[in-house]
Amino acid sequence: GNSVTQMEGPVTLSEEAFLTINCTYTATGYPSLFWYVQYPGEGLQLLLKATKADDKGSNKGFEATYRKETTSFHLEKGSVQVSDSAVYFCALLKNQGGKLIFGQGTELSVKP
Amino acid sequence: GAGVSQTPSNKVTEKGKYVELRCDPISGHTALYWYRQSLGQGPEFLIYFQGTGAADDSGLPNDRFFAVRPEGSVSTLKIQRTERGDSAVYLCASRSVAGGPAGEQFFGPGTRLTVL
Repeated sequence: GNSVTQMEGPVTLSEEAFLTINCTYTATGYPSLFWYVQYPGEGLQLLLKATKADDKGSNKGFEATYRKETTSFHLEKGSVQVSDSAVYFCALLKNQGGKLIFGQGTELSVKP
Repeated sequence: GAGVSQTPSNKVTEKGKYVELRCDPISGHTALYWYRQSLGQGPEFLIYFQGTGAADDSGLPNDRFFAVRPEGSVSTLKIQRTERGDSAVYLCASRSVAGGPAGEQFFGPGTRLTVL
């Protein structure tokens, strides 16, 4: 079946450190891939997405590249800020039906 | 404009009771989804509406769960004979079909259900 696996958190970094949150997926066909973010006290919101192999999604300094050969969609940011502290969810979407399948989430805490 | 709204924000009920959770999607969004998020987990899909009809209800855990969207806008998730294991945050999301199946799903703030 379809599934998403993320690296376990919590991840604690100092401000301006480099961030990587690993995400791998299992799916038949060619899913679209997403990163959603949940800031403290707020609802889930889309951070970035990629709809086909080798696409790179980017937003707010975050990037992720759709790697079909390794079935991965790792999230990266070159210099994190305290305001990036949140829970990050990797998700896949099968084109039929449009339901999202989420990973378990990775909590990021950035210290000043 | 207004985002997805959900009411109530919190609901505490006793085991065995019936509850209704409401979702108001973004105006004009014909696709609507319900997810359930347990503590420390990612959201799990429950049901997807396209207009008034349930296009995919494969995520509903059992026949105690039911959802409706009679006029293609507001949706209500109904849970009968609640159990303690039903305690979770119930999320609603909507999507404009103009964006296609990979278009952004906009999430509401959720309803936190606690079954005592």
